[in-house]
Amino acid sequence: KQEVTQIPAALSVPEGENLVLNCSFTDSAIYNLQWFRQDPGKGLTSLLLIQSSQREQTSGRLNASLDKSSGRSTLYIAASQPGDSATYLCAGRSYNTDKLIFGTGTRLQVFP
Amino acid sequence: GAVVSQHPSWVICKSGTSVKIECRSLDFQATTMFWYRQFPKQSLMLMATSNEGSKATYEQGVEKDKFLINHASLTLSTLTVTSAHPEDSSFYICRAGSSYNEQFFGPGTRLTVL
Repeated sequence: KQEVTQIPAALSVPEGENLVLNCSFTDSAIYNLQWFRQDPGKGLTSLLLIQSSQREQTSGRLNASLDKSSGRSTLYIAASQPGDSATYLCAGRSYNTDKLIFGTGTRLQVFP
Repeated sequence: GAVVSQHPSWVICKSGTSVKIECRSLDFQATTMFWYRQFPKQSLMLMATSNEGSKATYEQGVEKDKFLINHASLTLSTLTVTSAHPEDSSFYICRAGSSYNEQFFGPGTRLTVL
């Protein structure tokens, strides 16, 4: 059974810092892993999707990596901005299922 | 991109009443829909998976008689919280998929049970 955890649970940084958010999963037979952003009281915004055959994906200031052997994914945010403040969730999907299992989330606050 | 809507976006009800939440895929056919529940400051927990025209599959610990799911068409799934209690207050989010890599989330429904 896939289990997904994220550290840290919360993070508060000044504007301009580069950040790394961590995601760990227990089932290495992962089909893909996705990172989402969630603003308070809102739904999910998909940020990056990494297939099992890929090692990383990039979109603007965001870069996500996937290491199946160690069961880890990281989301790198460059030059953080106050608008990046949100909760970041990773979610993994294993082979032979279309269920998405979500991590515990990291609440990020970027202050000016 | 594909759009998934939920209705209502928020609802307040009295304890003991039933509440129906709709999830619609607006511009594609969703063969599978997933329902998640999110308590404050917690992650999304999968409640059930529904396929069009068949019974929903519930995750362990989710009461199927309390959370009724109907997926009557390829564009609509409904979640009915029966005999709601304050502990059912939560944020309910649906996800609609038409293929393995397509994952579209609804905006969520905030349920508050008084």
